[in-house]
Amino acid sequence: EVLVVESGGDFVQPGGSLRLSCAASGFIFSTYWMSWVRQAPGKGPEWVANISPDGSAKFYVDSVKGRFSISRDNAKNSVYLRINSLRTEDTAVYYCAASLHYWGQGTLVTVSS
Amino acid sequence: IVMTQTPLSLSVTPGQSASISCKSSQSLLHSDGKTHLCWYLQKPGQSPQLLIYEVSNRFSGVPDRFSGSGSGTDFTLKISRVEAEDVGVYYCMQNKELPTCGQGTKVEIQ
Repeated sequence: EVLVVESGGDFVQPGGSLRLSCAASGFIFSTYWMSWVRQAPGKGPEWVANISPDGSAKFYVDSVKGRFSISRDNAKNSVYLRINSLRTEDTAVYYCAASLHYWGQGTLVTVSS
Repeated sequence: IVMTQTPLSLSVTPGQSASISCKSSQSLLHSDGKTHLCWYLQKPGQSPQLLIYEVSNRFSGVPDRFSGSGSGTDFTLKISRVEAEDVGVYYCMQNKELPTCGQGTKVEIQ
């Protein structure tokens, strides 16, 4: 059974930082592109970042470049999203997705003063 | 790539069919020969679940009531014999380039 589980979401003040984690199982993790996709309240999904199977290639949506950093550890079947300089508009449920096929249940990030 | 879905909402009688259109601002045909267009359903309170990938391929476990078609820039998701469990918001997503989604189509049961 495929399982994707996100963690690390929290309530933070503007300017703060967070590290989101995603643990996966049930598929050959090291062969999958991994993505982070976020969904603000009442809005549709917005792809944020992805990383190649070996971690050598990383891509970001323009609105997060320079603030978000994606990484992975294939030995731990995990992918991470480091978020710096958080803004109120970053408030969303953050989903981890394997090749945009398998999605987790998400972790909530709330940015507010 | 901008994705445009129509309609934005749909009310369907159980047992009838429903269709959702998705248009992209440029062709989704990739140099690898595949057309990178997916359909998702987000049921209330849940994460999006993949229904269709590469225009017309049903994902594992997806009922054959769901079918996808189209090419280039015009795509359609058809739901035959709509059931109560099909309610939610449907999204198309392209991943020919950095992924982008349509606005979503909310499907309700009459």
